[in-house]
Amino acid sequence: NAGVTQTPKFQVLKTGQSMTLQCAQDMNHNSMYWYRQDPGMGLRLIYYSASEGTTDKGEVPNGYNVSRLNKREFSLRLESAAPSQTSVYFCASWVVRGTEAFFGQGTRLTVV
Amino acid sequence: GIQVEQSPPDLILQEGANSTLRCNFSDSVNNLQWFHQNPWGQLINLFYIPSGTKQNGRLSATTVATERYSLLYISSSQTTDSGVYFCAALSTGANSKLTFGKGITLSVRP
Repeated sequence: NAGVTQTPKFQVLKTGQSMTLQCAQDMNHNSMYWYRQDPGMGLRLIYYSASEGTTDKGEVPNGYNVSRLNKREFSLRLESAAPSQTSVYFCASWVVRGTEAFFGQGTRLTVV
Repeated sequence: GIQVEQSPPDLILQEGANSTLRCNFSDSVNNLQWFHQNPWGQLINLFYIPSGTKQNGRLSATTVATERYSLLYISSSQTTDSGVYFCAALSTGANSKLTFGKGITLSVRP
């Protein structure tokens, strides 16, 4: 039982390149979220998926797209990376609203 | 949306000291969690505590939901307790999201 797994752990992109961050959970959770963490800002919500087949914008969605591929997987795509997207990205999942959330180990992304 | 404020922003302790970290939130909640982010950046679940009191070894937490605050107690601190402590809350509103405070940076000196 691995919990929430994110890939890759580290990535360096050039401005304008695209990439997809992958997240998978093996806990049969319904809800999955993507956050970004910047120094002094805590974690801010990018997108979330309350259940398979649904996605919604969070606090900072601009420049990102998401896909809830199936119940296990929720990916985050940067179509044209910008230096402002340099951050640490965390994926989270939980069964339903109000239950305990579990986080992946994070992806450290640098855009140069 | 819900506002989550943590205090103090920074805390320096000598090993062996006790401390209290505070989290205030602006709305009724049905999820309140404390996390420890270690020096490697991992977020470790400490407590899921929308109300009441829980204890886990040297750590304990209390949430007083009616007064909209939660406290994390660290007793006999160790250098491995260093890192950033986050509080996150989910309000009871239908479209609410799990919202984080900005964190408390704890440094425990030997």
